[in-house]
Amino acid sequence: KNQVEQSPQSLIILEGKNCTLQCNYTVSPFSNLRWYKQDTGRGPVSLTIMTFSENTKSNGRYTATLDADTKQSSLHITASQLSDSASYICVVSRSYNTDKLIFGTGTRLQVFP
Amino acid sequence: NAGVTQTPKFQVLKTGQSMTLQCAQDMNHNSMYWYRQDPGMGLRLIYYSASEGTTDKGEVPNGYNVSRLNKREFSLRLESAAPSQTSVYFCASSLGDGSLHFGNGTRLTVT
Repeated sequence: KNQVEQSPQSLIILEGKNCTLQCNYTVSPFSNLRWYKQDTGRGPVSLTIMTFSENTKSNGRYTATLDADTKQSSLHITASQLSDSASYICVVSRSYNTDKLIFGTGTRLQVFP
Repeated sequence: NAGVTQTPKFQVLKTGQSMTLQCAQDMNHNSMYWYRQDPGMGLRLIYYSASEGTTDKGEVPNGYNVSRLNKREFSLRLESAAPSQTSVYFCASSLGDGSLHFGNGTRLTVT
């Protein structure tokens, strides 16, 4: 069964600290993996995309890694800010087409001052 | 440049009532999608339209119908709402390259 599992479900950190979110997937075939950020009451916004051959991708303070052999990805947030408080969703695509996406349930991150 | 616009933002229906959720995008994208998001579950695809004039079922199409009115607009209709359709509905568009651009959702409650 094609699945995307994220951990932890929720996380609380202090402003300025780093954190890492995990994503494990059992999706086949594999085309690419994306991380989305979803603020409360808003739609998800794409942070990064990685294909099979890429093992790291950065977007400002966000760095995503991908290990296609173990089918694991992580999203590392450096020097967290209050605005990082959101849900982070891992999405795996089975093909280039956008109709074959498998969504994780997300990690809810809260950053406190 | 508004991106993807959804209306209404909130809606409360009684069981059996019908309604149409509206979605419009101004990015000239070919593909449009309707998802639902429920607590503890990942986003699930209801219907999609790969191009103007075509629509296809997603993972959870039962109880819904869609219309791709033109390249910009893609509507979702609930003919006879049920409490199981209480959810947050997201419309998205894409160039077809795997990158989705989402609207801010419609929060629907069916009592």
